[in-house]
Order: sequence, then structure tokens, then C-alpha cells
Amino acid sequence: QKEVEQDPGPLSVPEGAIVSLNCTYSNSAFQYFMWYRQYSRKGPELLMYTYSSGNKEDGRFTAQVDKSSKYISLFIRDSQPSDSATYLCAAPPGGGNKLTFGTGTQLKVEL
Amino acid sequence: DTAVSQTPKYLVTQMGNDKSIKCEQNLGHDTMYWYKQDSKKFLKIMFSYNNKELIINETVPNRFSPKSPDKAHLNLHINSLELGDSAVYFCASSQGNRGTEAFFGQGTRLTVV
Repeated sequence: QKEVEQDPGPLSVPEGAIVSLNCTYSNSAFQYFMWYRQYSRKGPELLMYTYSSGNKEDGRFTAQVDKSSKYISLFIRDSQPSDSATYLCAAPPGGGNKLTFGTGTQLKVEL
Repeated sequence: DTAVSQTPKYLVTQMGNDKSIKCEQNLGHDTMYWYKQDSKKFLKIMFSYNNKELIINETVPNRFSPKSPDKAHLNLHINSLELGDSAVYFCASSQGNRGTEAFFGQGTRLTVV
């Protein structure tokens, strides 16, 4: 079992839809969590990170962490074609500098 | 200005060859990493250096040898390339030891034939 699991998709939604991307994790040592976005043939770029349980909002993006159920979510409101990418959740065990990534969810936002 | 740059971007080589990938960051970070992304897009850490010192060495074959001449550079040398080494290799950097905001390069797409 991988430490961080994601549904690989692909997930296809119409423009303007609300998108929900999810991860589960098994390692209780994870203290904070990150969402990276990776466009095709590019390197991952950090979208958001959250330290505690609860919600964190940044523009159209909301990250949610539920440590009791070991569940991480990323919501995208008013999705745009430019949001089409692979979204990777990640966490550093023990707060160190080694990132453990999920397998990524491929998102396609269609016109 | 490119923050984390890798060369080459594409590398096609035959089995058994030795090749190197170079990485440079101009962000002033003190920690650099090599990650491998396989054909299923799974990204896994290989090595990490902090101020030129190796601090993470995952279960990677000895054929892979990282070298950090200074904290702005981290190179990856691969000996006796195998078909299974085909992947995209990403260099990344961050400041400090939390790995919170790791900035990634564009990747080097290695194909072993």
C-alpha cells in the first residue's frame, strides 16, 4: 500500500464546474500537506499547502484536511480549461524534507 | 529567469551507456533533490542534498550517483543504463529542511533503448 493514494482519473468536467480532488494517506506522521499541479511535460508547481485540519482558501482553490480520517481534498471552483493538468498531493513524513507523493489525478476541463 | 534548470531536457541512449544530468538553481536554496517520475506519473524521491551534504538516499541502485559541487548545483550520473531507467528525472530545490515549497525543474526525459 502506498503511503499516499489518489484516484488517477482521468477526470473530465465542463468549464465552470466545481472539481473535487481527493487523497487518502496512511502515515500518521504526516504533519502537513501539499497540492502540486503538473502540466503536461512540465515540472510540478506548488499550488497550496496546509498544516492543520480544516480549510485553506486561495482564490478559486480550497484545500481541506481531515486528519481524523486521513483524508485530503482540493476543491476548484469555476474550473477553467487552463486548470487541465495532473494534480498531485504530497506530504513530508515527520515534517522533514522528503516529499511522499500520491500518484496524481489527471483533470481535463472542457469548453 | 529560470529558477531550477536541468540539462539536457531529452536524453535518448543505449543500454549500457553512462550518462549525466545536470541541475542548477538560482533561488539561493540550500537543499536540492532528485526525483524520478515513472510512466504512470508516480513521483518518487531518490536523493537529497543539504549544503552539499547527502541527507536522503532512498533505495536506489548504486549505478546512480549524485554529486553536489556546491549548494546551487546537483548532478546525477547514471552508469550502465538499463531499460527500466527510462523515466522523467526532476531536480528540485527548497530552503531549509521542511521541503514545504520545493521548486521543480522542467525534467529530463530519459529513454533507454
